[in-house]
Amino acid sequence: DTEVTQTPKHLVMGMTNKKSLKCEQHMGHRAMYWYKQKAKKPPELMFVYSYEKLSINESVPSRFSPECPNSSLLNLHLHALQPEDSALYLCASSQDGDLYGYTFGSGTRLTVV
Amino acid sequence: GEDVEQSLFLSVREGDSSVINCTYTDSSSTYLYWYKQEPGAGLQLLTYIFSNMDMKQDQRLTVLLNKKDKHLSLRIADTQTGDSAIYFCAERRNNNDMRFGAGTRLTVKP
Repeated sequence: DTEVTQTPKHLVMGMTNKKSLKCEQHMGHRAMYWYKQKAKKPPELMFVYSYEKLSINESVPSRFSPECPNSSLLNLHLHALQPEDSALYLCASSQDGDLYGYTFGSGTRLTVV
Repeated sequence: GEDVEQSLFLSVREGDSSVINCTYTDSSSTYLYWYKQEPGAGLQLLTYIFSNMDMKQDQRLTVLLNKKDKHLSLRIADTQTGDSAIYFCAERRNNNDMRFGAGTRLTVKP
């Protein structure tokens, strides 16, 4: 299995909802990432889990909460989002010393109404 | 602004060569990458080059690296309509720090 699987592919949520994005990989990668990508912009790093230890981009608001239940799974919990949080959320994984870059999932297209 | 810079648009005719350019700022970056993103999809790794290399060729793709000028380019030979996408240059500064350029939107006209 050489893929990163993200679910759901599309999500529409209200500003008072709580939802979660899920990401899964079975390549044995020990680092997993959440990126946010707005239209016509590059991906921006939100969170990194490396060997299940979290690193945070300080500019990410607390309404985004990551969770790494184990080395194969990564969740992003969403609560009280704003319309400007609408974006493509990409999960990626990598292995230390991996020369082949990151493997990206196909993303979750999130719309906040 | 981004640490990695790319021109935003490139338009070519089918069958021509495309050259997408990128400049980066961190001379300590050891790995440099080109990713392709089609509409509504994630990023697909196209190719990579190590900082101790000048050139890498992989079928229709040729990557040139000028480390002195911190300039990276991607040449696509015999460009096809299926090559239309956004191409991101990226530098990897350490294992967990990948920086992307703004992306170059390549349009291939028949």
